[in-house]
Amino acid sequence: GAVVSQHPSWVICKSGTSVKIECRSLDFQATTMFWYRQFPKQSLMLMATSNEGSKATYEQGVEKDKFLINHASLTLSTLTVTSAHPEDSSFYICSASKQGGTEAFFGQGTRLTVV
Amino acid sequence: AQSVTQLGSHVSVSEGALVLLRCNYSSSVPPYLFWYVQYPNQGLQLLLKYTTGATLVKGINGFEAEFKKSETSFHLTKPSAHMSDAAEYFCAVSDSSYKLIFGSGTRLLVRP
Repeated sequence: GAVVSQHPSWVICKSGTSVKIECRSLDFQATTMFWYRQFPKQSLMLMATSNEGSKATYEQGVEKDKFLINHASLTLSTLTVTSAHPEDSSFYICSASKQGGTEAFFGQGTRLTVV
Repeated sequence: AQSVTQLGSHVSVSEGALVLLRCNYSSSVPPYLFWYVQYPNQGLQLLLKYTTGATLVKGINGFEAEFKKSETSFHLTKPSAHMSDAAEYFCAVSDSSYKLIFGSGTRLLVRP
């Protein structure tokens, strides 16, 4: 199989603090991972493409200084929400793909609540 | 550029009835098409995918979808709805880069 694990599943943080979310491919190597954001009752919006060993590619409108992405190894990508504000509260989901494969495997998501 | 349109934000069916969730796409390159299901506060589970080859694709849990290039559609069907099918369903398109563009989603309600 192909398992992608996100941690934590949920997190509550105070406004102004930073939060790190991890995305791991447990049984395969992923040169590329993707980060999505989902507001309540809405669809998933791609935030950025995370490439191992290089800078992430951000979608238009996504603040790269606010959403820091690091893809330090072939099995781990991290998303850090810096100086979080209540409007950053959302469901964040990552996905990863096997080289040569045709589908993306999703993590279980992280519910972020900023108070 | 690619895009996906899902007609109907909510679909309600009776248990045992046919399920039909509509998806139309736009793509300048041959598309890869996917249907995902999402249960509350969970990630996405792949139901089925079309990449190349047979246009009628069978997936898990009795779902299937047909790729119709002439209609730019990829509708999801299931002959007989089950209560456990109640969830949010997302159609998505990709250009093989694994970067997915999602539709707005359709919430399926199954009435007893």
